[in-house]
This record gives sequence, structure tokens and C-alpha cells, in this order.
Amino acid sequence: QKEVEQNSGPLSVPEGAIASLNCTYSDRVSQSFFWYRQYSGKSPELIMSIYSNGDKEDGRFTAQLNKASQYVSLLIRDSQPSDSATYLCAVNTLDSNYQLIWGAGTKLIIKP
Amino acid sequence: DTGVSQNPRHKITKRGQNVTFRCDPISEHNRLYWYRQTLGQGPEFLTYFQNEAQLEKSRLLSDRFSAERPKGSFSTLEIQRTEQGDSAMYLCASSLARWDRVTTHNEKLFFGSGTQLSVL
Repeated sequence: QKEVEQNSGPLSVPEGAIASLNCTYSDRVSQSFFWYRQYSGKSPELIMSIYSNGDKEDGRFTAQLNKASQYVSLLIRDSQPSDSATYLCAVNTLDSNYQLIWGAGTKLIIKP
Repeated sequence: DTGVSQNPRHKITKRGQNVTFRCDPISEHNRLYWYRQTLGQGPEFLTYFQNEAQLEKSRLLSDRFSAERPKGSFSTLEIQRTEQGDSAMYLCASSLARWDRVTTHNEKLFFGSGTQLSVL
């Protein structure tokens, strides 16, 4: 059973600080990694994708991928109250015919 | 075309009734997915289409669930004889999958706003 694990939280971070969200996955042949943000009662929205080891930055967001350790993380710099949401990690692999395997999400709360 | 469209946004039904949801994907996308999501969980895969072909259906999916994408454009998801356990958010997503000689590149999923189903 291929799995994607996330700490459910809630993770509470003061406004302006760095929020760090982590995700581990079990399938070593995983190839594509995605972070989705989901506000309460809304659908998931893609915020970052990463395909190779290392860091990828987009504005205040940085995705970090370490395939050897099988984890992917998302850093949010200068956290804002509007960043408060659930962050879902999703992974796809050749073995799953590129279907996304989803984590249950981490609830992030940014405190003003 | 501004995104994936789902309707209705909300559906309340009585146990035992049939319900049907519709999804209109982004027009140039060739893949369409149906997911179900309950509170505190990630999306649960139900089924997906590549163009008009239904390529995969979750083994966990009851025979009461059926989906169609007759012309490779919009899709419908029908639940027959609804049960209270069917209450959830039903999400549709689309993507553009590309192929080269080596591998499939499944691009990013774009979700619709979802249909919230409540079975009383």
C-alpha cells in the first residue's frame, strides 16, 4: 500500500515567521510531488510542484525534495493570516499509473 | 474557459434516492478525475477518464456509483440508492497528460468547487 504521511496538526505559527510543513512517502519510484492548499469548505488549489531533488522557490513558498530520504517539505516565509489553511501533499508514481496519492493534510494556523 | 465547473454546489437528498452530479473540465484537458473528500481527510480517488475512456475505477467504489464522459468533454457521476455514508464533498479535477518516448507526464490537477452531498 503506497502511502503519503503528513502530521495532521494543527500547526500554529506566529505571523511573519516561517511555517514548515513536512510530508513523507513510501514509494521510492515516486516522480512528481505537489503541494495543494485547501481553505475550509473549498476545493484544493495547487501552489507548488517539484520533480527533482533540491529546492524550488516561488514567491514566499519553497518546496524541498529529498528522494533519498523520501520526504518533501513546504516552507512559507513571512507567514500571513491568509495562509491559514490545510496543506495537502500529493505524490504520483509510475506504479500508480501516475495517479496522485494524497496525504490527509496538515492544518496550519497563522496567529496575528 | 476559466476553470473546472461543477454543479450543483450543494445537494441534500433522502436516503435511497439517486443523485447525479456534473463536471465541465478545462476544455483542453484530456484527463478528468472524480474524488470524494470527507472532513479531515485527503481526497479519495473514485475514477478517472482519459478523453471518453474510463481507465480506472477505485476498487473501494460500490456498484451504486457510476460515471460517464460520453463525448470526452463533460462528465457525470451518479450515485444510486444513496446512503448516509455517501455524505461527502465530491470533487472533480482535470489535467493535461502528455506522453513522450520515455514516460507519461501527468500535469497538475485543477479542481472544481465541488458538490457537497448531504444524505438525510
